[in-house]
Amino acid sequence: DGGITQSPKYLFRKEGQNVTLSCEQNLNHDAMYWYRQDPGQGLRLIYYSQIVNDFQKGDIAEGYSVSREKKESFPLTVTSAQKNPTAFYLCASSITGRETQYFGPGTRLLVL
Amino acid sequence: AQSVTQLGSHVSVSEGALVLLRCNYSSSVPPYLFWYVQYPNQGLQLLLKYTTGATLVKGINGFEAEFKKSETSFHLTKPSAHMSDAAEYFCAVSSEYGNKLVFGAGTILRVKS
Repeated sequence: DGGITQSPKYLFRKEGQNVTLSCEQNLNHDAMYWYRQDPGQGLRLIYYSQIVNDFQKGDIAEGYSVSREKKESFPLTVTSAQKNPTAFYLCASSITGRETQYFGPGTRLLVL
Repeated sequence: AQSVTQLGSHVSVSEGALVLLRCNYSSSVPPYLFWYVQYPNQGLQLLLKYTTGATLVKGINGFEAEFKKSETSFHLTKPSAHMSDAAEYFCAVSSEYGNKLVFGAGTILRVKS
């Protein structure tokens, strides 16, 4: 079955630690996205990529980094510079930027 | 820039009653419009979308939405609410550059028995 997978489902970060969230899709989509979701704040765009080896900052990119070395994969690193990383992180992909985005099941990041 | 306003962060209806979730958008280009549903601790799932053509769009689970250009609205309706409809709903519009979607803040729907 085609779809988007995110792992892990829960992730714990220690103070000063970088952590990486995985996002993989087998839909052959060109565009991929990372969102952060906090209670009552809807979805906020962190980074997006429209093609391999290219990505753009979203609305809240500070403290995060991404790479897009393969079409299928768009990992997100939450760096130690992100002082408030506790949130629900959603990855999505679409054929093009204007079309339907398909979402993964999400990763919940918690700080120890 | 494109934007989406969802009126009412929380909506409560009785089981069997009409569901109406409001969405207004602003767009400098002909928009693509979307409604998504999110259940707790899950990703978003597409309910329906409007691209071109017929302005009344039918989606999954008995939901539908009507694109009204003159009112810049895309309200979501369902004739009869079911307990399983309790979730958060997001309206979205394609960006003016066609490179991403712009989401509204979401509306949490509560269904009372």
